[in-house]
Amino acid sequence: EAGVTQSPTHLIKTRGQQATLRCSPISGHTSVYWYQQALGLGLQFLLWYDEGEERNRGNFPPRFSGRQFPNYSSELNVNALELEDSALYLCASSLVVGPGAQETQYFGPGTRLLVL
Amino acid sequence: RKEVEQDPGPFNVPEGATVAFNCTYSNSASQSFFWYRQDCRKEPKLLMSVYSSGNEDGRFTAQLNRASQYISLLIRDSKLSDSATYLCVVGRRALTFGSGTRLQVQP
Repeated sequence: EAGVTQSPTHLIKTRGQQATLRCSPISGHTSVYWYQQALGLGLQFLLWYDEGEERNRGNFPPRFSGRQFPNYSSELNVNALELEDSALYLCASSLVVGPGAQETQYFGPGTRLLVL
Repeated sequence: RKEVEQDPGPFNVPEGATVAFNCTYSNSASQSFFWYRQDCRKEPKLLMSVYSSGNEDGRFTAQLNRASQYISLLIRDSKLSDSATYLCVVGRRALTFGSGTRLQVQP
């Protein structure tokens, strides 16, 4: 079974530009999560999409946005790039189960974004 | 105070050693707990979920103490391939990650 895939693997942009990152979840998974891992920092939750809707977002400015498509794949868009946006962006997917049940998130290999 | 706190290490241990990692979390309402493993410049991979009764998977044992808001991971008979960063993770949807504990197993 194929895992979570992400593209591109690396992305180089300059300040002020826009970046678009893509994620395909594991087949059958309806939830997609985005996390940012800046150098030397822990993973920070960015966004959660389920069934095409944004369900939750972390403490990030509105220039971080995204969407989920009918096939459950997802895009993360970062507008007006700043130097500190340079990081590894990780996508994870899970199968939403009933309330109270343990869900497991599986991560893709990430996209390394470098802002110059 | 960080939501999930871990000792960053590094823990340098010889092959065959037993090593224990601890983690504390601040949100007493947390319901789901995990240990992930992250190799250098790679994505995190689930090592094991942590259940209230404690659970074991081969050489790995995880414990949860809700009263103390404390999670532990014990690795027995360390292998060179266990060298990685171990992430303590709390939460059900928007996961909260600790900053990780580095383990280096030496021959």
